[in-house]
Parts: sequence; C-alpha cells; structure tokens
Amino acid sequence: GAGVSQSPRYKVTKRGQDVALRCDPISGHVSLYWYRQALGQGPEFLTYFNYEAQQDKSGLPNDRFSAERPEGSISTLTIQRTEQRDSAMYRCASSSNEGSNEQFFGPGTRLTVL
Amino acid sequence: DQQVKQNSPSLSVQEGRISILNCDYTNSMFDYFLWYKKYPAEGPTFLISISSIKDKNEDGRFTVFLNKSAKHLSLHIVPSQPGDSAVYFCAARVYGGSQGNLIFGKGTKLSVKP
Repeated sequence: GAGVSQSPRYKVTKRGQDVALRCDPISGHVSLYWYRQALGQGPEFLTYFNYEAQQDKSGLPNDRFSAERPEGSISTLTIQRTEQRDSAMYRCASSSNEGSNEQFFGPGTRLTVL
Repeated sequence: DQQVKQNSPSLSVQEGRISILNCDYTNSMFDYFLWYKKYPAEGPTFLISISSIKDKNEDGRFTVFLNKSAKHLSLHIVPSQPGDSAVYFCAARVYGGSQGNLIFGKGTKLSVKP
C-alpha cells in the first residue's frame, strides 16, 4: 500500500474485554514496530519485529499485551482483559530494512476502555 | 525519568522567520537522533536525522545541530512557513540497543503565523 494502515481507527471497549489492533505495514517493509502514545506525550516503544520474528518486546507493559506477525507482513497487537489505563493511541510503524533508522508511522488506533 | 526532553511545549513564530526547536537528552549512549513532524489526526512523519558522529545535517529549509558535550540538539527551520505548523518530536536511539527502540520526547507544538 501507499502507507502504513491501521484498523480500527477508533475502538471503544468495556473493561475486561479483549481487543485486537491491526497494522498493515508498507508493502515490502521488513521491520514493524508498535508504540503507545498517551495524550501530551511522545510515542513509547512497545515491541518490534523483523520479518515474522519478534526481536524485542521489552516495552510491553505486562503479560496482557502480546503481538504477532505470523507471515512477516500484517501484525496484530492484542490486549487481554483491558483496563482503563490501557486507553491511549496505539501506533504502528514500519521500516524498509533492519538497519533503517527511518520509521514510517500509521495513523494510529485510538483505544478507549470504559 | 525522561531521557529525551523537549522543555518547550509550544512555540509561535512569524512566517518567514527562523524556528528553533530544542531537545536535550541524558543518555550518552544515544548514537542517532531523529526529528518527526506530526499533523493532527495523522501519524508522525520522519523529517530529518543526524548521527552522533556529526554535528550538523541540512536538508532544504531544515537543519539539525548536535552538541554532544552539552547533550543538546536543535532543529532550525528557515524560513518558517504556515504549513510547518505541527507538533515536532525529537527521538533518539541507543547505540547497540534494540534498533526498534526509539525514545521520543513529549513534543513541541510549532505555530507559524502568516
């Protein structure tokens, strides 16, 4: 595609529900990153993949958060048993190769947990 | 503890004048710095970057300066245009660390007045 796309753009859920956020990176991009951004803050790293391999998940806040990229393209970030503190903008980015410093961001998914 | 600090939440500049956005960092292991620009309802877009082995990088109207001894970098926009009005994020990467783990500042909102 022309850019990184994310779906849904907005997600409202009730506390305790599971949510799955999808990221479709730029076609052919090797690396894919997930960030979380609270209001008034910069993006905060969660995890990233090279191809289908999860290289670093040190930023995932707890074991309710997981991510996968089974075929090295589309990725899903899953949050189980959501809590109100999970409410934030979740951003996905991709880069063309493993050594690239330039990450292209998607528009984000605004998650609201009631 | 913020490793990348953008102490000015906002900046207002007249069209045609210079905009200077500042960023300070605390981690001497950062080896690469990036600036991202973000318009409302969009994801951040890469603007310009600099390696720690350089002290200046220029791209058109945008110049980034790095002062390693002061752990300070700045983004200069000359001349400023109304279309430059956006939130600017400074980001840094740790040498030898996870390539995906960019650490962002909180951002500075630039307003360029016609």
